[in-house]
Amino acid sequence: GIQVEQSPPDLILQEGANSTLRCNFSDSVNNLQWFHQNPWGQLINLFYIPSGTKQNGRLSATTVATERYSLLYISSSQTTDSGVYFCAVRVQGAQKLVFGQGTRLTINP
Amino acid sequence: DARVTQTPRHKVTEMGQEVTMRCQPILGHNTVFWYRQTMMQGLELLAYFRNRAPLDDSGMPKDRFSAEMPDATLATLKIQPSEPRDSAVYFCASGLVRSPLHFGNGTRLTVT
Repeated sequence: GIQVEQSPPDLILQEGANSTLRCNFSDSVNNLQWFHQNPWGQLINLFYIPSGTKQNGRLSATTVATERYSLLYISSSQTTDSGVYFCAVRVQGAQKLVFGQGTRLTINP
Repeated sequence: DARVTQTPRHKVTEMGQEVTMRCQPILGHNTVFWYRQTMMQGLELLAYFRNRAPLDDSGMPKDRFSAEMPDATLATLKIQPSEPRDSAVYFCASGLVRSPLHFGNGTRLTVT
């Protein structure tokens, strides 16, 4: 099956810093989503981005499908950005989302 | 905002008891997924439905787990009998084909 690798596994930053999270995948996909799992365990949709670039406030994401990777950018980090960020992909012809292991982000005040 | 609703939010039960988790997908969504999250395995797919028909339940231990969609507004996941290793957070998600999946808040199950 498809492999989804996220890096780094852990990231600790000071408030106000910028960060880049990476997701590599091993096969062609027709769906890629970024989620934020907050400290209460909720999985929050950030982006649906099978290709191209999207921005939402301080967050933006880019997926280069031909090179099989996606990047999530967080600018001017806030303590509320802390949590685990997951990348999930759907292989062409399939329905299920396959998740990476996540990047745990800690923003210190 | 439309959202996926899961009940109960928390469940503590003793080994051997039956557990039923419920999910109300977003109205109009025709795919429903059950995922389980543990520290060791991360998020793994248990089962999914399209137009209420089960398409893949290969991730479920068949001897004790069962998933159904009695109607378009309700999906259930049952464990009978439950075991301590079933302790996890169970998520339901719904969506449309070729569109983002939306997740519920999960059911945190503890089996003692």
